[in-house]
Amino acid sequence: DSGVTQTPKHLITATGQRVTLRCSPRSGDLSVYWYQQSLDQGLQFLIQYYNGEERAKGNILERFSAQQFPDLHSELNLSSLELGDSALYFCASSAGQYTDTQYFGPGTRLTVL
Amino acid sequence: EDQVTQSPEALRLQEGESSSLNCSYTVSGLRGLFWYRQDPGKGPEFLFTLYSAGEEKEKERLKATLTKKESFLHITAPKPEDSATYLCAVQDHTGGFKTIFGAGTRLFVKA
Repeated sequence: DSGVTQTPKHLITATGQRVTLRCSPRSGDLSVYWYQQSLDQGLQFLIQYYNGEERAKGNILERFSAQQFPDLHSELNLSSLELGDSALYFCASSAGQYTDTQYFGPGTRLTVL
Repeated sequence: EDQVTQSPEALRLQEGESSSLNCSYTVSGLRGLFWYRQDPGKGPEFLFTLYSAGEEKEKERLKATLTKKESFLHITAPKPEDSATYLCAVQDHTGGFKTIFGAGTRLFVKA
């Protein structure tokens, strides 16, 4: 158990809908990272927050947004969902904002029908 | 553009048969190189961080090494429980500290 929690574990929704994925980092960690993992794309970095502020941005679509709250939990919002958004979404956390070890949560499996 | 390439895509070993996994990278400014292990349907599990060429780290049957262009994960006398996907990632200090993962090497160890 990494200490990172993600909810929900599974999410099934329809195209065009909007969903919110939630992540609670390990106690004491200030950075939260979001990743998307699909069969054909591997693990893709989406975005990083450090202590409430956006720190790094990867290949995150404009339909996706994220935020980190004062209690350091984070939410990833996915809107206007498409079939291709079906994937595993992982959250990771680390103590600092640079080359710290990232601890991954168990993931949320999103299925868009 | 930053790139991470892992080889081979898949590796099948007999129990006790040592081998190495390769991770080649191209980044503007390497801050760190990471190795993770991932079991099916689970989140990646951290193994090692390497920061500079020549650095080596060991953990049980695994040893990671780093040069200026690649990293190797050496597996000595593997056991069936070592079967997993091994992911390599790099963090680039230019362009926003993005973490870039390779596609991984799927390791199968047969008893």
